[in-house]
Amino acid sequence: DSGVTQTPKHLITATGQRVTLRCSPRSGDLSVYWYQQSLDQGLQFLIQYYNGEERAKGNILERFSAQQFPDLHSELNLSSLELGDSALYFCASSGQLNTGELFFGEGSRLTVL
Amino acid sequence: QQPVQSPQAVILREGEDAVINCSSSKALYSVHWYRQKHGEAPVFLMILLKGGEQKGHEKISASFNEKKQQSSLYLTASQLSYSGTYFCGTRHRDSNYQLIWGAGTKLIIKP
Repeated sequence: DSGVTQTPKHLITATGQRVTLRCSPRSGDLSVYWYQQSLDQGLQFLIQYYNGEERAKGNILERFSAQQFPDLHSELNLSSLELGDSALYFCASSGQLNTGELFFGEGSRLTVL
Repeated sequence: QQPVQSPQAVILREGEDAVINCSSSKALYSVHWYRQKHGEAPVFLMILLKGGEQKGHEKISASFNEKKQQSSLYLTASQLSYSGTYFCGTRHRDSNYQLIWGAGTKLIIKP
């Protein structure tokens, strides 16, 4: 158990819909990362927050947005969903800004039909 | 900018050794190694911070050659539990230490 909690674990929805994925980082970790992993692909970095502020952006679509709240949990919002958005979405946290290991949650598997 | 991992995939018999390489075109600050089993979250293996550093984790060890800008992960006497995809991640001073992931090396261990 990494200490990172992601909900929901599985989500099935239709094209055009909007979903929110939630992540609670390890206790005390200020940095949260979001990754997308399509079937048998690598980890695509989406966005990073540190103590409530956006610190880095990767290949995140305009239809996607995220935020980190004062209690440090984070949400990833995916809208106008397309079939190609079907993937595993991982959240990871770390105690430091850009050093140290990342602790991954179990992921949220999104299926868009 | 993405580090290059080689090989892309390798199939071994239980007990055989494997080496996975991770090469960067940019000067390295640190190298991270993770293993991911199918459908599961990546799990941290080790971080190498200094050139020449070597680290071990049971029968899994790694080296970091700062001059060559590469790291190698060594799996000795592989076990079935070592199967999975191995990712290296690299941090660089000139890109604000953001972690950049390699494409992964798929390791299949057969009994």
